[in-house]
Amino acid sequence: KAGVTQTPRYLIKTRGQQVTLSCSPISGHRSVSWYQQTPGQGLQFLFEYFSETQRNKGNFPGRFSGRQFSNSRSEMNVSTLELGDSALYLCASSLSTGQETQYFGPGTRLLVL
Amino acid sequence: AQSVTQLGSHVSVSEGALVLLRCNYSSSVPPYLFWYVQYPNQGLQLLLKYTSAATLVKGINGFEAEFKKSETSFHLTKPSAHMSDAAEYFCAVFKKAAGNKLTFGGGTRVLVKP
Repeated sequence: KAGVTQTPRYLIKTRGQQVTLSCSPISGHRSVSWYQQTPGQGLQFLFEYFSETQRNKGNFPGRFSGRQFSNSRSEMNVSTLELGDSALYLCASSLSTGQETQYFGPGTRLLVL
Repeated sequence: AQSVTQLGSHVSVSEGALVLLRCNYSSSVPPYLFWYVQYPNQGLQLLLKYTSAATLVKGINGFEAEFKKSETSFHLTKPSAHMSDAAEYFCAVFKKAAGNKLTFGGGTRVLVKP
């Protein structure tokens, strides 16, 4: 069974631009969570989507948003990029919301210049 | 709020020596506990998880962890380090009541010396 896939793997943007990252969960998994990883803040939860609805949200500004499609694929969007948004963005999938075991993708590394 | 503390941001071990990575959590109720490993330029790979079935949990690549409620600890060990164990290791907790999210420790980077 294929694992979690994320595209693109690497991205370079400039301040003020917006970016969209994509995540395809493991087949049969219906919950997708997003995490941001930075050297200073470590791994932080962004949000969780299940059944095309945002179920939980971390402590991030409204510039960070996401959505989930009927096939469980998810996208996250960051608008008006700031230098501090440079990070590795990780997507994780689980069978359902509330399922404790999450499987991670390889991540998208975003560099904001 | 939950928190996870990993003692030591860097650990250096010799090949063949014991690997011991420490993790303590704060929670009034034992949560689900995890260890993940991250190799350079990769995502997180699940090493093992504790879900209250057994206090000693065996994972992949020869790693195991022991849950000790009295110490609120979930330390990760491997009897004999291999060069391929060089990576960053993260301890994490999950509680449904805390938003269905994983809360991670700061990570411990392991260096294996030949």
